[in-house]
Amino acid sequence: QQQVKQSPQSLIVQKGGISIINCAYENTAFDYFPWYQQFPGKGPALLIAIRPDVSEKKEGRFTISFNKSAKQFSLHIMDSQPGDSATYFCAANQAGTALIFGKGTTLSVSS
Amino acid sequence: KAGVTQTPRYLIKTRGQQVTLSCSPISGHRSVSWYQQTPGQGLQFLFEYFSETQRNKGNFPGRFSGRQFSNSRSEMNVSTLELGDSALYLCASSFGQGSGYTFGSGTRLTVV
Repeated sequence: QQQVKQSPQSLIVQKGGISIINCAYENTAFDYFPWYQQFPGKGPALLIAIRPDVSEKKEGRFTISFNKSAKQFSLHIMDSQPGDSATYFCAANQAGTALIFGKGTTLSVSS
Repeated sequence: KAGVTQTPRYLIKTRGQQVTLSCSPISGHRSVSWYQQTPGQGLQFLFEYFSETQRNKGNFPGRFSGRQFSNSRSEMNVSTLELGDSALYLCASSFGQGSGYTFGSGTRLTVV
């Protein structure tokens, strides 16, 4: 079954701390793994994405770690800021198929 | 560069009515996907159109339909509305296979 399981459902982190959100997938044919950030009243916005030929990708304070053998990938937000408070979605697909999303993680960064 | 534009932003409809939502993709994007977002189910895929052809379809009843025009603009239609159809409907566009999706801000549909 083509599912993407995301955890935790919600997360509270102190300002300056590290936020970690995890996702697991089942379909080994998936070859594209993006993370989206959504603020209230807005659509999801692409944050960072990775393909399975690399184990890590970093863009500013955001890092994706990818473990192909475990079929898991995670988002790390370094030096978390109150402006990072949003809902984060992981997703996955293979070329030509629909993007399948996790259920989302609501992140609150307290100042 | 203009983003993905969805109209209208808000809709209130009565159970049993039908509704049409519109999506204008980013210029040059030929793929348009539609998603339903609810607090309980998250983002669920409805369908994807590429060059006016439906390429993928999710597990939604036949009351949900869509189409894409030659200028890549897309519409989705929901007939015989049910209370459970209340949701945020999101449209996303992309160049095509293997490229990232850009989402619009969505249409908030409330069925009463």
